[in-house]
Amino acid sequence: AQSVAQPEDQVNVAEGNPLTVKCTYSVSGNPYLFWYVQYPNRGLQFLLKYITGDNLVKGSYGFEAEFNKSQTSFHLKKPSALVSDSALYFCAVRDDNAGNMLTFGGGTRLMVKP
Amino acid sequence: NAGVTQTPKFRILKIGQSMTLQCTQDMNHNYMYWYRQDPGMGLKLIYYSVGAGITDKGEVPNGYNVSRSTTEDFPLRLELAAPSQTSVYFCASSAGRMTHEQFFGPGTRLTVL
Repeated sequence: AQSVAQPEDQVNVAEGNPLTVKCTYSVSGNPYLFWYVQYPNRGLQFLLKYITGDNLVKGSYGFEAEFNKSQTSFHLKKPSALVSDSALYFCAVRDDNAGNMLTFGGGTRLMVKP
Repeated sequence: NAGVTQTPKFRILKIGQSMTLQCTQDMNHNYMYWYRQDPGMGLKLIYYSVGAGITDKGEVPNGYNVSRSTTEDFPLRLELAAPSQTSVYFCASSAGRMTHEQFFGPGTRLTVL
């Protein structure tokens, strides 16, 4: 069975500082990994994905994520946080052995303070 | 493009009542999904569809039904509402199955009293 863990319920960062939101996964086959962001009272918006190839993936709004197969991690990063980045972030995984389901982590709330 | 639209935005139901949550997408996506999001939790897949006329159960299908008569529409039916179905419901669509990102609607906040 596939699973995703986001170990931090909340991450606090000062504006201008780098940010990291952690994600680890478990699959039996090859992972397809996704990050989504949710602003208050809105649906989820796609940020970036890892399917294959380069371990460093660049996405929307200056975000990037690094796929680490040995550590089964896919941490979301940004070099310089903005107050407007404050939102709820979800990591998701699909196992290429597991059919149609996309499994979401529990979410991490990012708070960027001025 | 409007993307994925959902109606209604909010609804309060009494126990035992029925309702249909509407979902429409204008991106000609074959794949559509219904999720529920409970407070402090991630999303759980209720049902999904890989094309018109084809639906399948997700992780938490009990108490729900779906149909997919057209590519654009994927309504979710609650037949006998229960307090455990109080949640925020999201519809999503995608162009492909494994590697494609999903596009989400704005959600329906449902309360069952």
